[in-house]
Amino acid sequence: AQKVTQAQTEISVVEKEDVTLDCVYETRDTTYYLFWYKQPPSGELVFLIRRNSFDEQNEISGRYSWNFQKSTSSFNFTITASQVVDSAVYFCALSEAGNSGYALNFGKGTSLLVTP
Amino acid sequence: GAVVSQHPSRVICKSGTSVKIECRSLDFQATTMFWYRQFPKQSLMLMATSNEGSKATYEQGVEKDKFLINHASLTLSTLTVTSAHPEDSSFYICSAREPGGYGYTFGSGTRLTVV
Repeated sequence: AQKVTQAQTEISVVEKEDVTLDCVYETRDTTYYLFWYKQPPSGELVFLIRRNSFDEQNEISGRYSWNFQKSTSSFNFTITASQVVDSAVYFCALSEAGNSGYALNFGKGTSLLVTP
Repeated sequence: GAVVSQHPSRVICKSGTSVKIECRSLDFQATTMFWYRQFPKQSLMLMATSNEGSKATYEQGVEKDKFLINHASLTLSTLTVTSAHPEDSSFYICSAREPGGYGYTFGSGTRLTVV
């Protein structure tokens, strides 16, 4: 069963638009960690954020913000005033004790294309 | 910050040959490392978890005799693709769990092409 669901496969926006990438997760653990990574065409993963299950405070970092809601098992990611450099594949991931020594379980990713 | 060096970044090999990919933690000791495989336009799939000094734990469906993982020291884990075939062509990426926490540092990945 898919533990991390990113329902949006591809999103295309015009520069300066705001865009939200959805992430829904599934776990039975009370302690778990949620992550977002960016993967540009070069392939390497760029870490964006980590959240533990006890910290539901929303986070803002520049143009990026994250909304963690345990009640809906969601950890959504919003880019404000998108830029062409934001074009990449974004992965949401879950780490939990029951998964291979806390290995990351990735969603299928959302490909974001920002056009000028 | 923590750095994981992965080599080679790209490799092309002939069908039937073996390829070794190295993953080194440069400034920390990595007790646990993970190996992932990513096919084009797909997600990262966990192949195996390796703990220093012990046998790797492979995910269901991953052939342990084909994908040999060795984690002989706290700073080095290797993945050897034995008798590679074109269907093994993929992007392989390693990750080390950071000590004392629940962060992960990823290598830059290896793009393997088997011809």
